[in-house]
Amino acid sequence: QVQLVQSGAEVRTTGSSVRVSCKAPRNTFRTYLISWVRQAPGQGLEWMGGINPLFGTTNSAQKFQGRLSMSADKSTATAYLELSSLKSEDTALYYCVRINPGSVLYDYWSGYPDLWGQGTLVTVSS
Amino acid sequence: QSALTQPASVSGSPGQSITLSCTGASSDIGSYDVVSWYQQHPGEAPKLIIYEATNRPSGISNRFSGSKSGNTASLTISGLQAEDEADYFCFSYAGSSTYVFGSGTKVTVL
Repeated sequence: QVQLVQSGAEVRTTGSSVRVSCKAPRNTFRTYLISWVRQAPGQGLEWMGGINPLFGTTNSAQKFQGRLSMSADKSTATAYLELSSLKSEDTALYYCVRINPGSVLYDYWSGYPDLWGQGTLVTVSS
Repeated sequence: QSALTQPASVSGSPGQSITLSCTGASSDIGSYDVVSWYQQHPGEAPKLIIYEATNRPSGISNRFSGSKSGNTASLTISGLQAEDEADYFCFSYAGSSTYVFGSGTKVTVL
C-alpha cells in the first residue's frame, strides 16, 4: 500500500527547533511535490509550505517565512520539515502530504493533496 | 491567504442528503478547478474524497459528489449514513505556489 511514513512524536521547549521526516515511496519525487500541513488540537488544517523534491525549490505561507525550512533527500525519498523559534501555539499534529498535479496544470505548483502521512505530534511547552 | 469559509456544522438524518459549502475568492476557487474535499474521522488523517471539484477517487462511494460555481465549491452527501459523521475540509490551489484549506465542517448524523 502506498503511504507516507513520518517520524515519531516530539516534545520541545519554547524557542527551540524541531525536525520532522517523511519517507515516501520510491519514485514519488519524480512526479509529485510534497507539502506540509498542520492541525492544532481541535482545529482545522493549515498549509505551511511545500517543496519540489527534485530541485529543492520551496514555497511557504507568509506566516511561517523565516521560521520554516524544508528539504528533501532524493537518495532516500525522504522529505524534512524544520520549524524554529517554537512557540506554544506550534503544538499541533504535522502532516506531510503528496501533491498530485492533476489533469489541469495551471503552473508548476498547482495540484491537490492525494496522500497523507500518519501525522507527527509536536508538543511545545515552556 | 485567508481560509476558505465553511459552515461550522451541518446535520442530517440517515438517508437524507446534505450539502456542504466552501466559499473562497476569485483568486483561489474562482480561478482554479483544483478544489478537493477531505473527510477526517477523529484520530485519523484526512482522506481525499473529491478532487478537481467533481471527481471521486477510486474506492470512494458515489454517495459523495462535488460541484463548483464561481467562487464556491460544494460537497453533497446523499443517503447519509452513520459512518459519514466526520469533519470535512475543502482545499484549493490559490496561485503563486500557495494553497488554502477551508475552516472545516462537522457533519452530525442525527
